[in-house]
Amino acid sequence: GQQLNQSPQSMFIQEGEDVSMNCTSSSIFNTWLWYKQDPGEGPVLLIALYKAGELTSNGRLTAQFGITRKDSFLNISASIPSDVGIYFCAGQAGNQFYFGTGTSLTVIP
Amino acid sequence: DGGITQSPKYLFRKEGQNVTLSCEQNLNHDAMYWYRQDPGQGLRLIYYSQIVNDFQKGDIAEGYSVSREKKESFPLTVTSAQKNPTAFYLCASRLHQGQPQHFGDGTRLSIL
Repeated sequence: GQQLNQSPQSMFIQEGEDVSMNCTSSSIFNTWLWYKQDPGEGPVLLIALYKAGELTSNGRLTAQFGITRKDSFLNISASIPSDVGIYFCAGQAGNQFYFGTGTSLTVIP
Repeated sequence: DGGITQSPKYLFRKEGQNVTLSCEQNLNHDAMYWYRQDPGQGLRLIYYSQIVNDFQKGDIAEGYSVSREKKESFPLTVTSAQKNPTAFYLCASRLHQGQPQHFGDGTRLSIL
């Protein structure tokens, strides 16, 4: 099975800064998902995208479904300490989900 | 309280022993999934099931077995054939095709 290319692998930012991360695939997906995982916990769904070109927000988070259907982007505005964690993208094709390798975010107060 | 419950949170296995990880959901979700997560890596699919009494192998099914006798339950057995079982195991479920997955809180399996 494929794993998606997610970048950057890690980020260290100051509190209040904006964050951008992205995910690319060699395959087309029908759905793109973004999750956040805290240490020792399961991933929590942040945003689901269902249509190419779709731009969806959830509070300070904004994600986009790329028009080629092979990529997606997640932006976090005005970061706060509780944004710390690992962010995963996932693409859905049929009954299966394929995951990126994660972006580890550290927010420095 | 609805959700996906994995138990136990921590599990230790002796060499040559089979262990079973529990996953229960009360969300009436159709499909259930098991993933393995190793440090610094994404999630790798072990098995998934779309309906009761049916399941399919994922990318790393060797050394694992599952059953789906009830819609709510999808236990994973890590057999002695799995030579490197130490990992964080995540169970997920989704309502219908096209709907996103939701995850349990995971079980960390270690070798004694």
